[in-house]
Amino acid sequence: EPEVTQTPSHQVTQMGQEVILRCVPISNHLYFYWYRQILGQKVEFLVSFYNNEISEKSEIFDDQFSVERPDGSNFTLKIRSTKLEDSAMYFCASSDEARTNEKLFFGSGTQLSVL
Amino acid sequence: GNSVTQMEGPVTLSEEAFLTINCTYTATGYPSLFWYVQYPGEGLQLLLKATKADDKGSNKGFEATYRKETTSFHLEKGSVQVSDSAVYFCALIRGAGNMLTFGGGTRLMVKP
Repeated sequence: EPEVTQTPSHQVTQMGQEVILRCVPISNHLYFYWYRQILGQKVEFLVSFYNNEISEKSEIFDDQFSVERPDGSNFTLKIRSTKLEDSAMYFCASSDEARTNEKLFFGSGTQLSVL
Repeated sequence: GNSVTQMEGPVTLSEEAFLTINCTYTATGYPSLFWYVQYPGEGLQLLLKATKADDKGSNKGFEATYRKETTSFHLEKGSVQVSDSAVYFCALIRGAGNMLTFGGGTRLMVKP
């Protein structure tokens, strides 16, 4: 079965450093998403991306965050200057449909720890 | 705004016990409702869904019924197995957007 791949599985960084989380969505998918889960809290939507632009974003997704699809296979989330409160599990997801349903596939997540 | 509330875990059961994980939601209109499962070391996987009132979603022996009158979507399974040990997330989508709103997740541990 096709799967969404996220790397690395764990990332440790110093506060103020830039970090890039990488995702390889399923190859024929067109819609891409980032979610995050701070330890002990809910999974929260960050951003959706389609046709090389952001289609929707949450309040969490401020100027410190950016997303990019640099080539035909990768989808990245960049945090420009990490803060302690950015420590969370970050999930990438992809879909071949605009409306999320059973066609939404999630990766296994990247655990980001900001020290 | 939209929100989802589910029972806190962990829920610890013996094999073959009956499972209920409660989920209630707040949303205007008629959201679509989902249960996702996360097995250790894996990503979130859709377990089941329901898109309108009184619909029952089912998969792998799990069931949940969309109850508009109680704004609930409780997850049930008649006889759990050790392999069901995972974290279960209730979620909704409201409107034409792509954004899932998740509950906090409930960890289920099933002992042999």
